[in-house]
Amino acid sequence: EVQLVESGGGLVQPGGSLRLSCAASGFTFRNYWMSWVRQAPGKGLEWVASIKEDGSQKYYVDSVKGRFTISKDNDKNSLFLQMNSLRADDTALYYCANVDGIVGTPSWGQGTLVTVSS
Amino acid sequence: QAGLTQPPSVSKGLRQTATLTCTGNNNNVGNQGTVWLQQHQGHPPKLLSYRNNKRPSGISERFSASSSGNTASLTITGLQPEDEADYYCSAWDTSLNVWAFGGGTKLTVL
Repeated sequence: EVQLVESGGGLVQPGGSLRLSCAASGFTFRNYWMSWVRQAPGKGLEWVASIKEDGSQKYYVDSVKGRFTISKDNDKNSLFLQMNSLRADDTALYYCANVDGIVGTPSWGQGTLVTVSS
Repeated sequence: QAGLTQPPSVSKGLRQTATLTCTGNNNNVGNQGTVWLQQHQGHPPKLLSYRNNKRPSGISERFSASSSGNTASLTITGLQPEDEADYYCSAWDTSLNVWAFGGGTKLTVL
């Protein structure tokens, strides 16, 4: 069965940094695009970033460009999101996901909570 | 950036049929497969439909997806209390290179 397990969330002050991780298993991780999607409290889903199978292409939502970096370690079956210059509006539950669903199910992790507050 | 349009709420009676819509444009819904997700309060999204309206194993046949032009639809037949949830659509936008998401539809089963 597919498993996506996020970690690395927590409370951070505005301007601070966090590195999120996602451990993947149950599918051939190196063959798939992966993404981070976030959900602010009480709000809808917002795509954050995606990375190509081999890491050669990366795409970001405008609001995080220049601050967040998505990366992938295919040897360790892991996805990462380096988040710098964090702002209050980055506060959300961050999901690791294969958004197009082709890896199998469940194609979304349980999420890791990031809270940006002083 | 790209956003898909979903009605904020839909209410239907028990055992009735609900059809949820998702409207985009030629760069996303119109030429890419639409993903449908179900999210119950306090839980992560759950995949209901993906690429060309495929249904993952374990998903009830009561859920079926379709599309016409720039509008995708999710039809839920024989509504059950457990179908009460938020439903999201998403599609890759080939012009903007983003995953576009709808704002979600809250389905209430009366």
